[in-house]
Amino acid sequence: SQTIHQWPATLVQPVGSPLSLECTVEGTSNPNLYWYRQAAGRGLQLLFYSVGIGQISSEVPQNLSASRPQDRQFILSSKKLLLSDSGFYLCAGDRGQLYNEQFFGPGTRLTVL
Amino acid sequence: AQSVAQPEDQVNVAEGNPLTVKCTYSVSGNPYLFWYVQYPNRGLQFLLKYITGDNLVKGSYGFEAEFNKSQTSFHLKKPSALVSDSALYFCAVRDIGGYQKVTFGTGTKLQVIP
Repeated sequence: SQTIHQWPATLVQPVGSPLSLECTVEGTSNPNLYWYRQAAGRGLQLLFYSVGIGQISSEVPQNLSASRPQDRQFILSSKKLLLSDSGFYLCAGDRGQLYNEQFFGPGTRLTVL
Repeated sequence: AQSVAQPEDQVNVAEGNPLTVKCTYSVSGNPYLFWYVQYPNRGLQFLLKYITGDNLVKGSYGFEAEFNKSQTSFHLKKPSALVSDSALYFCAVRDIGGYQKVTFGTGTKLQVIP
């Protein structure tokens, strides 16, 4: 079965500092990968998705960027964090077909102070 | 464009009673529909999905969902609620003729009262 690893579990960063969140996938190859942000324990906002190495689609203009340097690695970054970047960040993947369900990582709780 | 609505922010049900969490969707073509559950400070877990065929779909932990094309609904149900079912539930949709993006509902908090 597919597993997504995310780290760290929690992160507290000052405003203006850089960010790097990493997500790795086990148990499947050529997955589609996604970064979501969840605010206040509610709805999921899709930030980025990737259908392959080096292929990134951005859903919402923002202070963040994403990269996929390897098939099973997806990285979320920022050069300078804003207070509004605080939230629960979830990495997800699927096996590429539209009928495939997504599998999620455990999430990273980011607090920007 | 595709969209999902979960009209109830919270659903309260007594332990042992049947539960229903509502979901309606909108897509231009035919839908793939999904239910996920999220426990506090955790990632989402897949419960069940509708692709095609039988309108009643059975999933994990005794949950099931009924696809109703005429009402564009995909309500999640369980015959007998457990306290451990208390969590946040998300409905999601993909348009068969669409692209990779999954659209999630805003979530419904289920509270099962002992």
